[in-house]
Amino acid sequence: DAGVIQSPRHEVTEMGQEVTLRCKPISGHNSLFWYRQTMMRGLELLIYFNNNVPIDDSGMPEDRFSAKMPNASFSTLKIQPSEPRDSAVYFCASSLGKGNTGELFFGEGSRLTVL
Amino acid sequence: AQSVTQLDSQVPVFEEAPVELRCNYSSSVSVYLFWYVQYPNQGLQLLLKYLSGSTLVKGINGFEAEFNKSQTSFHLRKPSVHISDTAEYFCAVLLYNQGGKLIFGQGTELSVKP
Repeated sequence: DAGVIQSPRHEVTEMGQEVTLRCKPISGHNSLFWYRQTMMRGLELLIYFNNNVPIDDSGMPEDRFSAKMPNASFSTLKIQPSEPRDSAVYFCASSLGKGNTGELFFGEGSRLTVL
Repeated sequence: AQSVTQLDSQVPVFEEAPVELRCNYSSSVSVYLFWYVQYPNQGLQLLLKYLSGSTLVKGINGFEAEFNKSQTSFHLRKPSVHISDTAEYFCAVLLYNQGGKLIFGQGTELSVKP
């Protein structure tokens, strides 16, 4: 298996620009999660999907953040407009939906720097 | 509300020494418990998990953890650490009724020195 694939691995952008992070989950996994990791706040769950449907987006910081999962093999996390405080590593993870016992498979992350 | 507390943010230890990374949780419902490891510039990997049964759980790389329901703890241990164990370790809980929502602790940075 290729594992969870995220792109880009690194992104440097200027404040006000739109940022789109992409994720391809492991084939056959029905749940997909977006996490954000910072030194100050640790790992925060932003949103998760089951069978492409958003289940809990209570962790999304504000309206500037949006996430979509148009099909079982692709998800995006978009920030528009971006701000310096959005600088973080964003992780995508997937797991088996039905019968899930919590084992998440993480991608290598997308490191975002907003200047 | 449920939460996970990792009692130590940093644990320095010498190679071949034993180590314990502490984790406490609070929840009014039954939980599954996990330890994940994150090596530098990588995503998290599952180290071990407790779902039910024996309270002593063995994981990869010689790690083990013990679930203590009365103390609501799930401490991670290794009898003899290696330089390669240097990483950040995260304790996490999954609520039975939360459809896969994993709550992570703040992490413990394990630094193994020669």
